[in-house]
Amino acid sequence: GESVGLHLPTLSVQEGDNSIINCAYSNSASDYFIWYKQESGKGPQFIIDIRSNMDKRQGQRVTVLLNKTVKHLSLQIAATQPGDSAVYFCAERVGNTPLVFGKGTRLSVIA
Amino acid sequence: ETGVTQTPRHLVMGMTNKKSLKCEQHLGHNAMYWYKQSAKKPLELMFVYNFKEQTENNSVPSRFSPECPNSSHLFLHLHTLQPEDSALYLCASSQEGAGGGEQFFGPGTRLTVL
Repeated sequence: GESVGLHLPTLSVQEGDNSIINCAYSNSASDYFIWYKQESGKGPQFIIDIRSNMDKRQGQRVTVLLNKTVKHLSLQIAATQPGDSAVYFCAERVGNTPLVFGKGTRLSVIA
Repeated sequence: ETGVTQTPRHLVMGMTNKKSLKCEQHLGHNAMYWYKQSAKKPLELMFVYNFKEQTENNSVPSRFSPECPNSSHLFLHLHTLQPEDSALYLCASSQEGAGGGEQFFGPGTRLTVL
């Protein structure tokens, strides 16, 4: 079965608000996690990653939080903009094995 | 622009046709990947090549045949496909070898099998 999944398939957010996209994983041995953004007609684009020895990592307007106790990963986007509308994927990996991707959450930004 | 290019971007083929998808990476990476992306399904890993050697074949039907002549180029040869093979085929590359590091994706080839 699938070890990575997303709580919500769609998310609508008002422009300027913060967005939170959640991801659950079931493999407690996973030690690397990554978020991708996929816009229509394009391939997935790297957003941010985090290793299991961290619980938080920040980028430009994005923050990834990792809660290993409940095996939960989230992506927070500050001041969501129309250009953030896309499908967001989380993925996990154990050691040097291939990434396992979740189904994705579609984020729609309402202007 | 991620440094990974794929051609063609769109392909329509009949079930008896033979076609090839091409991927090229300009990033100096060591590993290349083929993924299948279908509607409402997670990305499915098909093949992994590490330093031109195939290291993963995820139970992919033989009607899909990969080829990696060098670390910068990856092909997916297609023959006698089925309509359910219609999907977006994504190529990716990474620096650290199979499974490792951030993967950079190409724009994909949208394949329709009639």
